Amino acid sequence: GQQLNQSPQSMFIQEGEDVSMNCTSSSIFNTWLWYKQDPGEGPVLLIALYKAGELTSNGRLTAQFGITRKDSFLNISASIPSDVGIYFCAGIYGGSQGNLIFGKGTKLSVKP
Amino acid sequence: NAGVTQTPKFQVLKTGQSMTLQCAQDMNHNSMYWYRQDPGMGLRLIYYSASEGTTDKGEVPNGYNVSRLNKREFSLRLESAAPSQTSVYFCATRGRAQGGYTFGSGTRLTVV
Repeated sequence: GQQLNQSPQSMFIQEGEDVSMNCTSSSIFNTWLWYKQDPGEGPVLLIALYKAGELTSNGRLTAQFGITRKDSFLNISASIPSDVGIYFCAGIYGGSQGNLIFGKGTKLSVKP
Repeated sequence: NAGVTQTPKFQVLKTGQSMTLQCAQDMNHNSMYWYRQDPGMGLRLIYYSASEGTTDKGEVPNGYNVSRLNKREFSLRLESAAPSQTSVYFCATRGRAQGGYTFGSGTRLTVV
């Protein structure tokens, strides 16, 4: 079945640094989504991408839908302590149902 | 405006006990989903319901049953709980066909 390979698994960065993470797959997806999960909470949608090549920003976050439709990346600029959490990529595949599958997450820790 | 509400938030069961996890949404969405989240595994789809009256298996359905009671409510039942079902369970809904999913805050289940 479809699988998403998300990297890195975890990262420690200094406050103010830029962060980059990505997801790749051997399968084609119709939509790419990026979520953030804080401890004890459910995932919250950060950015949704609907077209190959699309580049979308949400504040300090920027994400792109790869041209091949098999990958996506998320960048966070000028990281701050509240960026700590787990970031998940997710892809929607298939026709009318369009089910969602998740990467295994990137755990972000920021050194103050 | 609660969005997606899950109950209970925490539960401890003994092996062999049964219970039902409840999910209700006030977003008027057709599609509802149950995921489980385990360390290092990301979120995996258990069951979903594309619309009222329909349910389908996801990636890991064994040991679970679901009921789409009406448009608002989608419940997940464990008939005979096993330690392997210790996990965090998330309910989610989706509006537009290729839109992002909205998640509840989760139910943390421990089976001893």
